[in-house]
Amino acid sequence: GIQVEQSPPDLILQEGANSTLRCNFSDSVNNLQWFHQNPWGQLINLFYIPSGTKQNGRLSATTVATERYSLLYISSSQTTDSGVYFCAANSGGYNKLIFGAGTRLAVHP
Amino acid sequence: DGGITQSPKYLFRKEGQNVTLSCEQNLNHDAMYWYRQDPGQGLRLIYYSQIVNDFQKGDIAEGYSVSREKKESFPLTVTSAQKNPTAFYLCASSITRQETQYFGPGTRLLVL
Repeated sequence: GIQVEQSPPDLILQEGANSTLRCNFSDSVNNLQWFHQNPWGQLINLFYIPSGTKQNGRLSATTVATERYSLLYISSSQTTDSGVYFCAANSGGYNKLIFGAGTRLAVHP
Repeated sequence: DGGITQSPKYLFRKEGQNVTLSCEQNLNHDAMYWYRQDPGQGLRLIYYSQIVNDFQKGDIAEGYSVSREKKESFPLTVTSAQKNPTAFYLCASSITRQETQYFGPGTRLLVL
């Protein structure tokens, strides 16, 4: 089945800094999603992006399906951006998301 | 409000006991899913259902059972056969099997 790898595993930023999180996947995808898991465990949808580019406020994402990677950009980071960011992908006929191990982001004031 | 609810928030299981985790959605979604998350790791799929009265095993179904008698509800039973049940359990739903998955707040299961 598809494999999903995320980098870096950990990231520490000062408030206001920009960052790029990467997700590599081993097969063509039908579904690719980015999530933010807050300290209480809630998974918050950021993007559904099997291909192309999307933006939502300070966050944007790009998936280059032909090269099998996706990038999540966080600009002007805030302390509330802290948490774990997951990439998840599906390549089969059913929507079985395979999750990466996550990038743990800490934003300090 | 539309959304996915899970209960209870915390659940304690004694050795040899079966416990059931509730997942309800009022989004009119056809597909529902159960995932397990262990500390410091990503989520893994336990079971999924694309339609009422139908469900399929995911990657780690051993020791778990589900039912889908109503479109809104997809309860998960952790049986005594699951030897390492301590984890964070998350339920999700999507409009169809190819669309965005939305997650509930999760249930933390601990073994006494």
